[in-house]
Amino acid sequence: DVKVTQSSRYLVKRTGEKVFLECVQDMDHENMFWYRQDPGLGLRLIYFSYDVKMKEKGDIPEGYSVSREKKERFSLILESASTNQTSMYLCASSKTGQETQYFGPGTRLLVL
Amino acid sequence: QQQVKQSPQSLIVQKGGISIINCAYENTAFDYFPWYQQFPGKGPALLIAIRPDVSEKKEGRFTISFNKSAKQFSLHIMDSQPGDSATYFCAMNSGGYQKVTFGTGTKLQVIP
Repeated sequence: DVKVTQSSRYLVKRTGEKVFLECVQDMDHENMFWYRQDPGLGLRLIYFSYDVKMKEKGDIPEGYSVSREKKERFSLILESASTNQTSMYLCASSKTGQETQYFGPGTRLLVL
Repeated sequence: QQQVKQSPQSLIVQKGGISIINCAYENTAFDYFPWYQQFPGKGPALLIAIRPDVSEKKEGRFTISFNKSAKQFSLHIMDSQPGDSATYFCAMNSGGYQKVTFGTGTKLQVIP
């Protein structure tokens, strides 16, 4: 079974703080993704990576950066958290050539 | 830009009834149309998927109907059960490209 884990289920941060969200997958998948999920807006892609040290902007990259130093780990960084970044963050992975994405349980981030 | 329109946003169905969720897309480059199911506190998981060379795919109580000319596809849940209560997302992939476009989600509640 594919397992995608995220470092925190709930996180509370203050405006201006630097926030790290970490994601680890155990199935040797090449591709990893970060989404944010907001009511009525569905899942919106922030960044994705198709290989170590490679990254591509998604639909809403502003205010975020990512890091992929190892194949199994993909980090999302909020350089200076703002209240409009309060959301559910979902990490996913997939194997190249296979369309299915496997999701972690999500991190609910509250920025005060 | 919204490439897929999903409706309704929420749905309440009596146990044993049929749940129907619709999606309409614009970009004809998509060639894989999955539906993801998300239970509260969990990440989305693949439920069922279809390719545009067939008009219908059935797996148990779940059926995807696909209308290529109308650029629409829908999920039908027959004999809906309270355990089906979840949020459903339609999605689209194109040409093996790993990026997935998701709909805005439908929150289904099946009442006894």
